[in-house]
Amino acid sequence: GDSVTQKQGQVTLSEDDFLFINCTYSTTTYPTLFWYVQYPGQGPQLLLKVTTANNKGISRGFEATYDKGTTSFHLQKASVQESDSAVYFCALVEANTNKVVFGTGTRLQVLP
Amino acid sequence: AQTIHQWPVAEIKAVGSPLSLGCTIKGKSSPNLYWYWQATGGTLQQLFYSITVGQVESVVQLNLSASRPKDDQFILSTEKLLLSHSGFYLCAWSPDGGEQYFGPGTRLTVL
Repeated sequence: GDSVTQKQGQVTLSEDDFLFINCTYSTTTYPTLFWYVQYPGQGPQLLLKVTTANNKGISRGFEATYDKGTTSFHLQKASVQESDSAVYFCALVEANTNKVVFGTGTRLQVLP
Repeated sequence: AQTIHQWPVAEIKAVGSPLSLGCTIKGKSSPNLYWYWQATGGTLQQLFYSITVGQVESVVQLNLSASRPKDDQFILSTEKLLLSHSGFYLCAWSPDGGEQYFGPGTRLTVL
């Protein structure tokens, strides 16, 4: 089946630092790729959707890009704030199946 | 606007006891519905999905079952809890099987 690999388990930055989180995926179909953010004690929230058609999504200062050649997609933000501290998950939806595969999550801690 | 409600907020149950968790979506007709399980500090594991009333597909076997008795309701249950069932249960909906919109979750502790 499809899989998603998110290697960065923990990232610690200072305010105004640049954020870059990477996910790689494996699929035999044309997937739709997502980034979600989860704050403590809450359900995840949709942050960005990246289709293989448009290659990029932008929301709340975050930008997601997709690279078909390396089957990877990235989340970046130019200048993080302490309020961005949360867990970020990448996810893949298998085409025409309703099956969703999540990465293992990256815990971002932003120091004031 | 759509709203998603999960109940209960938290449960503490004994091993071997039954369990029923619920989820209701308001403001959206015929949504795709999902159940996920999340261990503390872990990733989300999709358990079930449903695209219509009365029809539920299992994604992974964890000695749990799910039902969709109404268009806006999704139920997760088991007759006998295991220690390994402890965790955070999340219900989600999607308009078309793509982006997921999650509820606030139910924290389950099995002792």
